[in-house]
Amino acid sequence: DSGVTQTPKHLITATGQRVTLRCSPRSGDLSVYWYQQSLDQGLQFLIQYYNGEERAKGNILERFSAQQFPDLHSELNLSSLELGDSALYFCASSTTGFTEAFFGQGTRLTVV
Amino acid sequence: GENVEQHPSTLSVQEGDSAVIKCTYSDSASNYFPWYKQELGKRPQLIIDIRSNVGEKKDQRIAVTLNKTAKHFSLHITETQPEDSAVYFCAASLTGANSKLTFGKGITLSVRP
Repeated sequence: DSGVTQTPKHLITATGQRVTLRCSPRSGDLSVYWYQQSLDQGLQFLIQYYNGEERAKGNILERFSAQQFPDLHSELNLSSLELGDSALYFCASSTTGFTEAFFGQGTRLTVV
Repeated sequence: GENVEQHPSTLSVQEGDSAVIKCTYSDSASNYFPWYKQELGKRPQLIIDIRSNVGEKKDQRIAVTLNKTAKHFSLHITETQPEDSAVYFCAASLTGANSKLTFGKGITLSVRP
């Protein structure tokens, strides 16, 4: 157990819908990262938050947004879902000054 | 931004042989290079990492080497076992609060019994 908790584990939804993925980082970790993993795309960095502030942005679509709350948990919001958004979404957290990133179990999103 | 490339994309070895997986990175400022192992259906887990002030690091059957001049680093697995079969991701990053791990696309290692 990495200490990073993601909910839900599985999510099936229809095209055009909106979903929210939740991540609770390890105790004391201030940085949260979101990654998208598709079959042929490896781990694609989406966005990073540090202590509530957005710090880095990767290949995140405009239909996607995220935030980190005062208690440091983070949510990734995906809207106007398309079939191509089906993927495994990972959250990871790390300590201040950055060492290793600990990954959650992921949320498998299936858009039908 | 940083770009990390892994090669080959698949690797098959006989049990007991050694496996070497190579990665290149583009940003000479990157100073942290971890390797993650991902088994089917599971999350990526760190297996070894190296920082830019070190040229080599070993942990039992696993070692990582770093060549900063050439901007490449390699994972070496000796005496491979079937349980080493997995997808291996390399990554590169700057340390610090603004850092983000940039991953390679991963390599699928198969160890034949």
